[in-house]
Amino acid sequence: EIVLTQSPATLSLSPGERATLSCRATQSIGSELAWYQKKPGQAPRLLIYEGSNRATGIPARFSGGGSGPDFTLTISSLEPEDFAVYYCQQRRSWPLTFGQGTRLEIK
Amino acid sequence: EVQLLDSGGGLVQPGGSLRLSCAGSGFTSSSYAMNWVRQAPGKGLEWVSAISGSGDITNYADSVQGRFTISRDNSKNTLYLQMNSLRAEDTAVYYCAKGMAAAGAGKYFDYWGQGTLVTVSS
Repeated sequence: EIVLTQSPATLSLSPGERATLSCRATQSIGSELAWYQKKPGQAPRLLIYEGSNRATGIPARFSGGGSGPDFTLTISSLEPEDFAVYYCQQRRSWPLTFGQGTRLEIK
Repeated sequence: EVQLLDSGGGLVQPGGSLRLSCAGSGFTSSSYAMNWVRQAPGKGLEWVSAISGSGDITNYADSVQGRFTISRDNSKNTLYLQMNSLRAEDTAVYYCAKGMAAAGAGKYFDYWGQGTLVTVSS
């Protein structure tokens, strides 16, 4: 099973600041990684797939990068609605796995 | 517009059974893989099961293998999850999630249901 480790567990920033979230896989997964945003009481929302492709309707301030074992999600300038929990997910092999999440909170 | 409507959750005793349903609209069912993903209280997301667009290929997390069965009826655009031998650790909100494609990128989830709560307790 491919284990995804996200860091940091919690990130405290202010609106307008830049956020960088990390995800590391226990083995190389090429670019086969997605990022999701999860808010309480809502379904997860796909942000990025195949490492760097923005999903439909996702603002340009969200960008993904990296390959192999190390990936990043960057939010260039935080909006109030961006404070949530973010998860990475790999599709390289079964079982599909998620990271444990990074909580992005308002400082 | 793609919509997914989860239903079937509720309170069940340990060892009991429950069947979840997910009614889809706005897309051609057989063209996309479908999945179930769950989130236990205070925990992260956990993938549970996947089924191919045609329904002939299924995959399961080790934690539910042998107890849960995923299926679909493309004529009704409906996905199911039959859950048997339920345990307290199966307590979670269960989401159905549409794959982006029939295979490959079908393992990413672009649309989600609103979730249905399953509580396993005596």
